[in-house]
Amino acid sequence: QVQLQESGPGLVKPSGTLSLTCAVSGGSISISYWWSWVRQPPGKGLEWIGEIYHSGTTNYNPSLRNRVTILVDTSKKQFSLKLKSVTAADTAVYYCARARPYCRNAVCSGGPIDFWGQGTLVTVSS
Amino acid sequence: EIVLTQSPATLSLSPGERVTLSCRASQRVSSFLAWYQQKPGQAPRLVIYDASNRAAGIPARFSGSGSGTDFTLTISSLEPEDFAVYYCQQRSNWITFGQGTRLEIK
Repeated sequence: QVQLQESGPGLVKPSGTLSLTCAVSGGSISISYWWSWVRQPPGKGLEWIGEIYHSGTTNYNPSLRNRVTILVDTSKKQFSLKLKSVTAADTAVYYCARARPYCRNAVCSGGPIDFWGQGTLVTVSS
Repeated sequence: EIVLTQSPATLSLSPGERVTLSCRASQRVSSFLAWYQQKPGQAPRLVIYDASNRAAGIPARFSGSGSGTDFTLTISSLEPEDFAVYYCQQRSNWITFGQGTRLEIK
């Protein structure tokens, strides 16, 4: 059974960069799944941040695209999230997750998310 | 951007009752429409994918249906562990979620 574990600072200063890593265990990272980040502000709903394939192909939420970078390190079986120029609005629980492939018109991306990390709260505050 | 609107925002029901949750898309979506269950302090859990397929380990009392812009999640007889927040999700060019329906015990 795949397990995902987020790690990183729980507190980031405004205008700084939020950096999280997700370790994948119990399965290979180099298979036909998409590795995703989803966040949830306290008391609010879910927001998809973006995803990466083991080849390095990425897709991002357009609302965050100019601030987000997702990378994968297959040798370490982990992927990471960097979000720059953070504000209080970026305070949230950040989940890493695995999405099944979803293919349409010969183009594949992440589909249903079948495994999630436990989530880590990141607070943006001085 | 495809916006998913879930209704109602909150439902108060009793165990044993039948419930249908609604998810309406602002544009036609593909067959990929998923539902998630989230309990307090926990990560979401996949319940339904491709509009009508139950995920692994999901009881048969959960069913999904719909196509185009209108989708539903039905729980045939509520168990105490079903009270949670439910989100729908779609994928067009990127993933979006509905705002959630909170199912609470009456």
